[in-house]
Amino acid sequence: EAGVVQSPRYKIIEKKQPVAFWCNPISGHNTLYWYLQNLGQGPELLIRYENEEAVDDSQLPKDRFSAERLKGVDSTLKIQPAELGDSAVYLCASSLTAVTEAFFGQGTRLTVV
Amino acid sequence: GENVEQHPSTLSVQEGDSAVIKCTYSDSASNYFPWYKQELGKGPQLIIDIRSNVGEKKDQRIAVTLNKTAKHFSLHITETQPEDSAVYFCAASRMRGGADGLTFGKGTHLIIQP
Repeated sequence: EAGVVQSPRYKIIEKKQPVAFWCNPISGHNTLYWYLQNLGQGPELLIRYENEEAVDDSQLPKDRFSAERLKGVDSTLKIQPAELGDSAVYLCASSLTAVTEAFFGQGTRLTVV
Repeated sequence: GENVEQHPSTLSVQEGDSAVIKCTYSDSASNYFPWYKQELGKGPQLIIDIRSNVGEKKDQRIAVTLNKTAKHFSLHITETQPEDSAVYFCAASRMRGGADGLTFGKGTHLIIQP
């Protein structure tokens, strides 16, 4: 069974440019999370989806970050415009339901120069 | 909100010895405590978890203990092997399975010396 798939694995962009990350959760998983992991730190929750509904986006910096999960399957996370401080690993995770364990993808490492 | 503290930040042990990583949490309403292992270039992988209705859980060479009164929980790895080298994260959540999102510690870099 395929795990959580994220793309791209690596992305280098200049500041002020837009960037988008894509996540394909495990088939049948209704809950999807986006986490941000800074170097040497633990992941921090950005947004949580139940199917296509964003049920917790309180930690998402809405002035520059946006996310969507059309049809309750794949999800995209966008940053526009990117800042130097956005350099980090962006992790996607999914779980079968809201009360079962979360499985993480390999992440997208973003470098803003 | 929840705050999770993890110690030590780096732990070096001889192969075959035991390793212990400790975490404390602040939210008394938290009742789900997973541990994740993250290898270089990979996402975190769940290795064991414990819920607040039990004090200890064991799975082969790894075990987790929970003290709800003191609000701390620990990961124990016995008979360490080279493949145990990785960064380990503890986490806490109010809801089973981390449904409300997990609050992670800062991680422990475990180094197994041959």
